[in-house]
Amino acid sequence: EPEVTQTPSHQVTQMGQEVILRCVPISNHLYFYWYRQILGQKVEFLVSFYNNEISEKSEIFDDQFSVERPDGSNFTLKIRSTKLEDSAMYFCASSEVPGEKLFFGSGTQLSVL
Amino acid sequence: GIQVEQSPPDLILQEGANSTLRCNFSDSVNNLQWFHQNPWGQLINLFYIPSGTKQNGRLSATTVATERYSLLYISSSQTTDSGVYFCAVNFGNEKLTFGTGTRLTIIP
Repeated sequence: EPEVTQTPSHQVTQMGQEVILRCVPISNHLYFYWYRQILGQKVEFLVSFYNNEISEKSEIFDDQFSVERPDGSNFTLKIRSTKLEDSAMYFCASSEVPGEKLFFGSGTQLSVL
Repeated sequence: GIQVEQSPPDLILQEGANSTLRCNFSDSVNNLQWFHQNPWGQLINLFYIPSGTKQNGRLSATTVATERYSLLYISSSQTTDSGVYFCAVNFGNEKLTFGTGTRLTIIP
């Protein structure tokens, strides 16, 4: 079965540093998403992306965050200047149709020290 | 605001037992999905179920959209069923709003 892949699985960074989280969505999917989960809490929506544009974002997704589809297969989340509270599991997801069945990657655990 | 609440928050069962997990939502939804987060943190999509009933092996789900709830049934539980079960709803935009989760522990 096709799957969403994410790299790296773990990322440790110093506060103030930039990080880029990478994702390869399922190949025939057109809608891409980032979610995050702070330890012990529920999963929260960050951003959705379609046709090379952000289609929706949450209040969490401030100017420190950006997304990009640099080529035909990768989808990235950049955090410009990480804060301690950015520590979380970041999940990439994709779907064929917006708002329909969503497939998640296995996540990147980001630790900001 | 929009709320998605799940019950019970925690459930501990003996292997072989059956269980029912509930998801209540505060507004009309376009769709509802159930996910299993395994002990390694992976989110596995179990069901896409905006309404009606679906079955997949030992698991089945029912959504009654008019009454704003969904149920996930797990029969003959196995230790590999342990983890956190989330329902997530779409209220007409693109994002999924996740519930608070039910932590299921199956004891051998």
